[in-house]
Amino acid sequence: AQSVSQHNHHVILSEAASLELGCNYSYGGTVNLFWYVQYPGQHLQLLLKYFSGDPLVKGIKGFEAEFIKSKFSFNLRKPSVQWSDTAEYFCAVKPLNTDKLIFGTGTRLQVFP
Amino acid sequence: EADIYQTPRYLVIGTGKKITLECSQTMGHDKMYWYQQDPGMELHLIHYSYGVNSTEKGDLSSESTVSRIRTEHFPLTLESARPSHTSQYLCASSPTGSNYGYTFGSGTRLTVV
Repeated sequence: AQSVSQHNHHVILSEAASLELGCNYSYGGTVNLFWYVQYPGQHLQLLLKYFSGDPLVKGIKGFEAEFIKSKFSFNLRKPSVQWSDTAEYFCAVKPLNTDKLIFGTGTRLQVFP
Repeated sequence: EADIYQTPRYLVIGTGKKITLECSQTMGHDKMYWYQQDPGMELHLIHYSYGVNSTEKGDLSSESTVSRIRTEHFPLTLESARPSHTSQYLCASSPTGSNYGYTFGSGTRLTVV
């Protein structure tokens, strides 16, 4: 079955630290890839997405992600986190033969000033 | 600001009651989805619709039902609520075409006592 793995369940960082959240998926075909963010008390928002082309995609608020096809990975990065980045981050995959998004379990990020 | 609205935001209800969770979107999206989200777990798709009069069950079995009489409206109903239905329910929509992510509502946190 198709699945998405986020290995970091809870990450705690100080402001200005660098961030990398792992995301791996199990599906052999072509996929679209997404990162969503859910700030406390708010709805899920799209952070960035990859459909094709340059495997390094840039999203809002200084986030970026790199698609490595050989590793089935789509890790999220930010060079310097801020307290306002405290949120839950979800990786999601959409195989091209379906319209359904498959989500990972999420990573809770806490950033301390 | 999301253009997809869910009501109520929070609901505490007794066992055996019938409830309907409302979801409306103003973007004219053909596709709509219901996900169930429990703490520390991935989002699970429970229902989806590709247009008016189209409804399908998702990957996670659910005792709830949905209807899609109008493009903008996709309510979810539980005929007889049970404590096992306690969860967060997220509604989402997307336009037709593969190169789109979903827009999510704020969710309904349901507690059945």
